[in-house]
Amino acid sequence: DGGITQSPKYLFRKEGQNVTLSCEQNLNHDAMYWYRQDPGQGLRLIYYSQIVNDFQKGDIAEGYSVSREKKESFPLTVTSAQKNPTAFYLCASSTQGARYGYTFGSGTRLTVV
Amino acid sequence: GQQVMQIPQYQHVQEGEDFTTYCNSSTTLSNIQWYKQRPGGHPVFLIQLVKSGEVKKQKRLTFQFGEAKKNSSLHITATQTTDVGTYFCAGHSNYQLIWGAGTKLIIKP
Repeated sequence: DGGITQSPKYLFRKEGQNVTLSCEQNLNHDAMYWYRQDPGQGLRLIYYSQIVNDFQKGDIAEGYSVSREKKESFPLTVTSAQKNPTAFYLCASSTQGARYGYTFGSGTRLTVV
Repeated sequence: GQQVMQIPQYQHVQEGEDFTTYCNSSTTLSNIQWYKQRPGGHPVFLIQLVKSGEVKKQKRLTFQFGEAKKNSSLHITATQTTDVGTYFCAGHSNYQLIWGAGTKLIIKP
């Protein structure tokens, strides 16, 4: 079964720590995306990548970093520079042009403790 | 910047009543997609509309794309408890997907 896997499902971070969220897909999709969703809110784009070894900032990239060393993987690091990181993080992938829509992972809920 | 406005933010309905959400873009869209997010879940792709004036149906769901390709709507007939969730539109413009804020469908007890 093809799909997109995010881990962990829940993550707790102490103040000042960097944490990395994993996103892996076996759909052979070229494009991958990271979104942040706050309670009762819509989706805000953090970073996206259209091809391996290339990625672009989205609307709220400050305090986050990504890498795209393999087609299947697009990890997101939430750095200590992100002042309000508590949120629901969603990874998605699509074919070029997203003709068949985005496929989302089940998300990671990050909480700062 | 480019925006897609989606209304209403919430809609409370009795089970069996109809539900409609509307999206309006500040720019012409090449296509529009619709997603459903169940409570605690992730968005799931429902459909894409591409042509001006297009209407598509999925059982009790009817999707429309405006003639000017700037607005769209989703109408659910005779809502059921399984319809509960947040419905998002997302418009493609200049190779970017621009998301509406979503409409939350709540079934009154």
